[in-house]
Amino acid sequence: AQKVTQAQTEISVVEKEDVTLDCVYETRDTTYYLFWYKQPPSGELVFLIRRNSFDEQNEISGRYSWNFQKSTSSFNFTITASQVVDSAVYFCALSEGDQTGANNLFFGTGTRLTVIP
Amino acid sequence: DTGVSQDPRHKITKRGQNVTFRCDPISEHNRLYWYRQTLGQGPEFLTYFQNEAQLEKSRLLSDRFSAERPKGSFSTLEIQRTEQGDSAMYLCASSPSVGISDTQYFGPGTRLTVL
Repeated sequence: AQKVTQAQTEISVVEKEDVTLDCVYETRDTTYYLFWYKQPPSGELVFLIRRNSFDEQNEISGRYSWNFQKSTSSFNFTITASQVVDSAVYFCALSEGDQTGANNLFFGTGTRLTVIP
Repeated sequence: DTGVSQDPRHKITKRGQNVTFRCDPISEHNRLYWYRQTLGQGPEFLTYFQNEAQLEKSRLLSDRFSAERPKGSFSTLEIQRTEQGDSAMYLCASSPSVGISDTQYFGPGTRLTVL
């Protein structure tokens, strides 16, 4: 069975601080994909990144970086020099592979990040 | 490129009434998904379509729920005899259909309140 755990329910940081959001996943599949989405107060889920199970390279995009470690089943997300606009709920999600190619997403419960000016 | 759109954005109804939501995916996206999100939780998968074919349904989708995508373009989600427990945000997402690697892009959601 698949599961995504985001143990941090809420995090508050002061602007310009770095913050890391944790994500731990469980799956029996060898082929799977991991995602991060941002949900600002407006409510719309915004795609941030996708990672497949065969690519453990870390990725950096501007102030965002992701650390994927299969050995610990973790896919953590770091925001460097946080800004007020980063305040949102962040979701980690897992998509498993199967023969039909179905890729419905299993989401964690989210981490609410508040950046204080 | 136009994103995923959903209509209406908000719906308030009385218990026992039927409601219907519409989702227009990104053009040329073959796959369309419906999710439900309750307060403080992550979205939960309800069902998905590959073109007009409904290929998977979650156990969350009771008999009162039905979804269609008649021409493989827009989709509708109908809830019959609404209950207060149906109050949630209903999210639609679309993706191109190339294996399992495709990213789902979400619409703004329809927030349903059942009184």
